[in-house]
Amino acid sequence: ETGVTQTPRHLVMGMTNKKSLKCEQHLGHNAMYWYKQSAKKPLELMFVYNFKEQTENNSVPSRFSPECPNSSHLFLHLHTLQPEDSALYLCASSQEGTGKETQYFGPGTRLLVL
Amino acid sequence: GENVEQHPSTLSVQEGDSAVIKCTYSDSASNYFPWYKQELGKGPQLIIDIRSNVGEKKDQRIAVTLNKTAKHFSLHITETQPEDSAVYFCAASPNQAGTALIFGKGTTLSVSS
Repeated sequence: ETGVTQTPRHLVMGMTNKKSLKCEQHLGHNAMYWYKQSAKKPLELMFVYNFKEQTENNSVPSRFSPECPNSSHLFLHLHTLQPEDSALYLCASSQEGTGKETQYFGPGTRLLVL
Repeated sequence: GENVEQHPSTLSVQEGDSAVIKCTYSDSASNYFPWYKQELGKGPQLIIDIRSNVGEKKDQRIAVTLNKTAKHFSLHITETQPEDSAVYFCAASPNQAGTALIFGKGTTLSVSS
């Protein structure tokens, strides 16, 4: 596997379910990100992890809970979501501190909340 | 904080024509400006980027220009092909460690043959 991978690619869940999204980067990067992409809106940054430490949380509701066990893996735990949370959730990674902090994205998880 | 505006939201061109997408940013501290292409069912892919110490950068049919004074940057695609059809996003960042990108809303480019 190369680049940034995400599983599952598609997810349908009820509002009372608990599920987790997984992201793995094979690029040796030290920073990982979760973005939300909704129709007609810019990509919205949700969380940033730098060297496994959460450095940014953009006022995301507590029903979204990130976890970064190491610099290669990132999870987004979901519980009691709302229909408006339906969107494409994108993971990205970058190598911070090198002067070229380009972010590389995974294919995303398409989430539908019923 | 940074705010990025992108225009137009949709752009339709004939194959072989040129396409131009423009973005403006608000934070003068931003010094890194990548462009991403997102095809259906895929995540955004970096196609070109530019830093504030450069006014123009070119890679085959794609070029990006930056005007720091006016705080705007543009993506130019020449000799467009149907496979260029996608959503294009501009972004800006102060490029400091741990600082994420701020994205524009995207431009849907359609190239008809």
